[in-house]
This record gives sequence, structure tokens and C-alpha cells, in this order.
Amino acid sequence: NAGVTQTPKFQVLKTGQSMTLQCAQDMNHNSMYWYRQDPGMGLRLIYYSASEGTTDKGEVPNGYNVSRLNKREFSLRLESAAPSQTSVYFCASSEVDYSNQPQHFGDGTRLSIL
Amino acid sequence: RKEVEQDPGPFNVPEGATVAFNCTYSNSASQSFFWYRQDCRKEPKLLMSVYSSGNEDGRFTAQLNRASQYISLLIRDSKLSDSATYLCVVTLTGTASKLTFGTGTRLQVTL
Repeated sequence: NAGVTQTPKFQVLKTGQSMTLQCAQDMNHNSMYWYRQDPGMGLRLIYYSASEGTTDKGEVPNGYNVSRLNKREFSLRLESAAPSQTSVYFCASSEVDYSNQPQHFGDGTRLSIL
Repeated sequence: RKEVEQDPGPFNVPEGATVAFNCTYSNSASQSFFWYRQDCRKEPKLLMSVYSSGNEDGRFTAQLNRASQYISLLIRDSKLSDSATYLCVVTLTGTASKLTFGTGTRLQVTL
């Protein structure tokens, strides 16, 4: 009964390092999303993939890239980490990219950049 | 003005109390509305959608006031397990990729 699985759960990076956050869902959902959550701010959409083979920018895409590897997996890459990217990152999925479909979230990746 | 505004709280209420939260949204063209719940250091989970006519799910009642551009969440007979942050979510279009999340209202239910 995994749902949405994110790895790693915690990570500390130095400025300028790169890393990839992994996300996989086992619910056969078409749409997947990456959000970041910062204190005092709501969840903000970084990138999303409405369906396998497509990706689009969200509200805050700068400094990130994504790959929809297959229907199950959607990864988020930081090419050159900056302290401003310290945040909690959530991956989510939904059956289709429509607002009345509930989004199922992974339990987050807490990322600190020094 | 923020697109979605919530009182951050915390709302401290005794077990069994009734508590209500409001959330205001700035764009009158907003179409869909939701409440999500987020426990401390956990992921958000959909609590309920908010329909124009208002809707109820057990102890939870959600209402929409389009004229004044706010949605509300009423929790009756509060339980300790209701302690969480409640996120108001609004979308302009029908796609989930356009969801706007509020910063949340924290509820603490005490004995």
C-alpha cells in the first residue's frame, strides 16, 4: 500500500552540488507534480507532468529540471544547489490533471543546502 | 494581496468544542475549492472538496461564499486527532496543475 514514495527523506548539500530527488507512485496515475513548501508560504508548484511524456513548468521552476521517466516515476533535479532551495519537497500524483481529483502526496524530502 | 489567505492561528480549543476557519481568495473567477489537512512534518492529505451548496462529511462542514469570496470549514465535536494544519486550496481553472495553496491554519485540540 505504498502510494507515493519519495527518496531520500533527508539530504544536506553544499552550495553548487547537484542531486536528484526520486518519486514513484504505484496507483497507475497519469499526472505527477513536484512542490516545495517553505515556512510562511503555501505549497508552490515547481514542475508537473500531466501525462507520461509531457512536463511543464509550474510557479517556481528556476533552478530545477524534471524527468518523467515512465508512468510511475517523476524525478526532480537540482543542477547547482543554492541556499534558497532549502525546503521541504513534496511529490504528488493524481489520476488525471483535473482539480476535482485528489492529489496523493509522498511524505516529503527535507533538503538543506549550506 | 495574496491569492489565498488564511489566519495562521493557532486555534486552541478543548476537546468537544466546535471550531471554524475561514479562507479568503482574491480571484473571483476561482472555480474549485478544497480543504487539505497536514499533520506536523507530514504530507498534505485531501480532507474534502467544497461545493457551492455546501457539504458535510461527518463532523466536518465546508461552505463556499462566492459573493464575499471565502470558504469555511467547521469542525464539530473536536477530537485530539483533529490537531493539524488545515490548508485552503483554490484553483482558477479545472486543472490540478493550477492549484493555489494557502499557508494553513493550525488547530490544537486539548484535553
